[in-house]
Amino acid sequence: DSGVTQTPKHLITATGQRVTLRCSPRSGDLSVYWYQQSLDQGLQFLIQYYNGEERAKGNILERFSAQQFPDLHSELNLSSLELGDSALYFCASDRGSGETQYFGPGTRLLVL
Amino acid sequence: DQQVKQNSPSLSVQEGRISILNCDYTNSMFDYFLWYKKYPAEGPTFLISISSIKDKNEDGRFTVFLNKSAKHLSLHIVPSQPGDSAVYFCAASVRRGGADGLTFGKGTHLIIQP
Repeated sequence: DSGVTQTPKHLITATGQRVTLRCSPRSGDLSVYWYQQSLDQGLQFLIQYYNGEERAKGNILERFSAQQFPDLHSELNLSSLELGDSALYFCASDRGSGETQYFGPGTRLLVL
Repeated sequence: DQQVKQNSPSLSVQEGRISILNCDYTNSMFDYFLWYKKYPAEGPTFLISISSIKDKNEDGRFTVFLNKSAKHLSLHIVPSQPGDSAVYFCAASVRRGGADGLTFGKGTHLIIQP
C-alpha cells in the first residue's frame, strides 16, 4: 500500500459527459501528479500540483483540468469525453523536491 | 519522440537466474532515474532509483546501473523469483529546479519460468 488513495476505482460513462476523479496524497506529501495510461501511449504525465498551485504541465488536453485543495487532495476533471479517453488514470505524490513518486491504485475510465 | 525507450516488450528468465532489463534515454537533461514494477489492475510500485551522479545503486536483490555516456540504464534482479513476474517500467525526470513529471518507457513484461 503506497498511501496514495484514488476514487472511484472504476467509472463507466458516455461520450460527451463529464467526470471527476479524486486523489488523496500520502501523509506529508505536498505534490500531486496525474498520469494517463492508455494501451497505445503507455504512461503519460498530465499535470502536477504543488501545495495548491499548478507547477508543471505535460500532455494534458484542454478538455481536462485539475486542482489541488487546501487539504492537499486533488481532483482531475475530464469533460466532453470521447471514446479515446478510456484509460487508466493514476495519481502519484511526493514531498515536492523531486524525490520518488508513489502511485495510487488508479481509476479505470471506460467511455462508451 | 520517445525520450525513454525500453526496446524489449517481454523477457523470459528461469527462476534463480539473473534478470536484466534495459532502458535507453535521449534527453541529456534527465538527472534522476527510477524503476517501477506493475501488476495488472494495480498502480506502479517503486523499486529502486539512481541519481545521475552515481553509476550504481543496490537494494537487496535489485541493482540499477547507469551509463551516462551511453545514455543507458539497466536493472538487474538476482536471483529471479516467481513473484518478480510483472511489467517493469523505466522512468526519468529532471530534478533540477524542483519536481517534474516522470517520463516513462513503454515497459518490459518479465516472466519468471519455474
